[in-house]
Amino acid sequence: EDQVTQSPEALRLQEGESSSLNCSYTVSGLRGLFWYRQDPGKGPEFLFTLYSAGEEKEKERLKATLTKKESFLHITAPKPEDSATYLCAVSPGNTGKLIFGQGTTLQVKP
Amino acid sequence: DSGVTQTPKHLITATGQRVTLRCSPRSGDLSVYWYQQSLDQGLQFLIQYYNGEERAKGNILERFSAQQFPDLHSELNLSSLELGDSALYFCASSVAERSNTGELFFGEGSRLTVL
Repeated sequence: EDQVTQSPEALRLQEGESSSLNCSYTVSGLRGLFWYRQDPGKGPEFLFTLYSAGEEKEKERLKATLTKKESFLHITAPKPEDSATYLCAVSPGNTGKLIFGQGTTLQVKP
Repeated sequence: DSGVTQTPKHLITATGQRVTLRCSPRSGDLSVYWYQQSLDQGLQFLIQYYNGEERAKGNILERFSAQQFPDLHSELNLSSLELGDSALYFCASSVAERSNTGELFFGEGSRLTVL
């Protein structure tokens, strides 16, 4: 069964304190792994797509990496505005659907 | 603003009732996806339509149905509502039938409360 597991469920950081979020997955015929950000009361917002092991993508203070079994979202010197829930998703096989993990809720304190 | 419009934003109803949620995709997008988000289940894929035709089906209950109209807007119909149906329902859209980039544009959701 296709599955996505994210850890930790919640993470509290001080402003400037770098850390990483984990997304482990089991999926048949992975077409891509995706990271989204969701703010309270809003819909998810697309961040990155990773297609193959070893691939990396960067956007401001965020960097996403991918191995054959997991992905990491590294947050460097976070700011309070980075506080949000970060969702990982995979696209299995030849379908258009995304399977999401439960998310990691990040809180960055000033 | 993602360009995806969902109505209503909030809906409170009673068990056993039926409701309809509406979604207008981004201009030019042919695919519409429906997701349910609850605290214990996270974001669960319900169903996808592409240019009016059903393309993929997820964990959608038989009490739920959806359709996409010729103008590409979509409706999700929820009937015989139960307390457990209380959730945020998101609509998302994309240009392609199968989005290789994984970039879906989500609306702000319809919050359904069943009392």
